[in-house]
Amino acid sequence: DVKVTQSSRYLVKRTGEKVFLECVQDMDHENMFWYRQDPGLGLRLIYFSYDVKMKEKGDIPEGYSVSREKKERFSLILESASTNQTSMYLCASRQPPAGGWFFGPGTRLTVL
Amino acid sequence: AQTVTQSQPEMSVQEAETVTLSCTYDTSENNYYLFWYKQPPSRQMILVIRQEAYKQQNATENRFSVNFQKAAKSFSLKISDSQLGDTAMYFCAFMKHVSISNFGNEKLTFGTGTRLTIIP
Repeated sequence: DVKVTQSSRYLVKRTGEKVFLECVQDMDHENMFWYRQDPGLGLRLIYFSYDVKMKEKGDIPEGYSVSREKKERFSLILESASTNQTSMYLCASRQPPAGGWFFGPGTRLTVL
Repeated sequence: AQTVTQSQPEMSVQEAETVTLSCTYDTSENNYYLFWYKQPPSRQMILVIRQEAYKQQNATENRFSVNFQKAAKSFSLKISDSQLGDTAMYFCAFMKHVSISNFGNEKLTFGTGTRLTIIP
């Protein structure tokens, strides 16, 4: 059974803290993605990675960075968390060119 | 850039009825894929149905079917004989056709979602 897991379902942080969101997939997928989900805005792509140590900006990268040191793990980093980063964060993975998309359960982050 | 629009933020129907969720998109691409994803409350996003733009025949998966109108850039989802388990957020999504130039590293672009509630 294929899996995308995220390190936390719920997370509460303070403004200014450095926050790490972890995503792990066990399918040997090359592509991994971080999306942010907000009511009325749908899912918006933050960053994606198509190979180890490779990354590309998505549509809303400001305030975020990513790390992919190993193929199975893709981390989203909030260098200095702000209240407007309170959101649901979804990780996804896929094997190009024809593989389907697999999503993690999401991390609901609250920044106080 | 591609955009996906879902004009119905919320819908509700009685159990066993049929419901149609609308989706329109804008793209200059000729080859692409369209998807409907379901996100049940507190559960993971799962694929409902997928349509390749080059196929004229509308995709069907059991009680789920689509009405794909390429010229109108419309991609609606019909759920027949709705069940309580169909209660979820539904997202329409677009992906460009896999290209050699991009090594198949395509992205999904999502709409804003429709919250569907099935009433017992």
